Amino acid sequence: EIVMTQSPATLSVSPGERATLSCRASQTVTNNLAWYQQKLGQAPRLLIYGASTRATGVPARFSGSGSGTEFILTISSLQSEDFAVYYCQQYNEWPPATFGQGTKVEIK
Amino acid sequence: EVQLLESGGGLVQPGGSLRLSCAASGFTFSAFAMGWVRQAPGKGLEWVSSISGNGGTTYYADSVKGRFNISRDNSKKTLYLEMSSLTAEDTAVYYCARDLGRFIMICLWFWGRGALVTVSS
Repeated sequence: EIVMTQSPATLSVSPGERATLSCRASQTVTNNLAWYQQKLGQAPRLLIYGASTRATGVPARFSGSGSGTEFILTISSLQSEDFAVYYCQQYNEWPPATFGQGTKVEIK
Repeated sequence: EVQLLESGGGLVQPGGSLRLSCAASGFTFSAFAMGWVRQAPGKGLEWVSSISGNGGTTYYADSVKGRFNISRDNSKKTLYLEMSSLTAEDTAVYYCARDLGRFIMICLWFWGRGALVTVSS
């Protein structure tokens, strides 16, 4: 089973600032990496797939990068609606598909 | 508009059974693999099971294998999750989600709002 590790667990950011979230895989997942956003009390929403492709309707301030075992989700200028928990997930080798433990982005 | 609506959640005793349903609309249901992901209270996401567009291929997490059964009725545009031998560790919100395409990739594009399953005596 591929273990996904996200850091930091919590990120405190002021509105308008840049946020950088990291995700590491225990073995290569090539570029089969997705990022999801989950707001409190809501279902997850796909943001990024293929490590760097934005899903339909996702604002351009969200960008993904990386391949192999190291991945980054960048939010270029945080808006109030971006404060949420973000999960990475590998779909390169399954079952099982595995998620990271999440990074909570909170208001500083 | 793509919509996924889960139903069938509720309180069940340990050792009991429950069937979740997920009604789909707004897309060609048979053209997409589907999956279930769960989230225990205050915890992260855990993939549970996936099924291909024609229902011929299924996969399960080890934690539910032999106890859960995923199925679909493409004529009714509905996904199911039959759960048995439930334990407290199965308590979670269960999300139905649509995969990227007909074949299972477990890259989940659209998610339902979830159904809460509580296993308790």
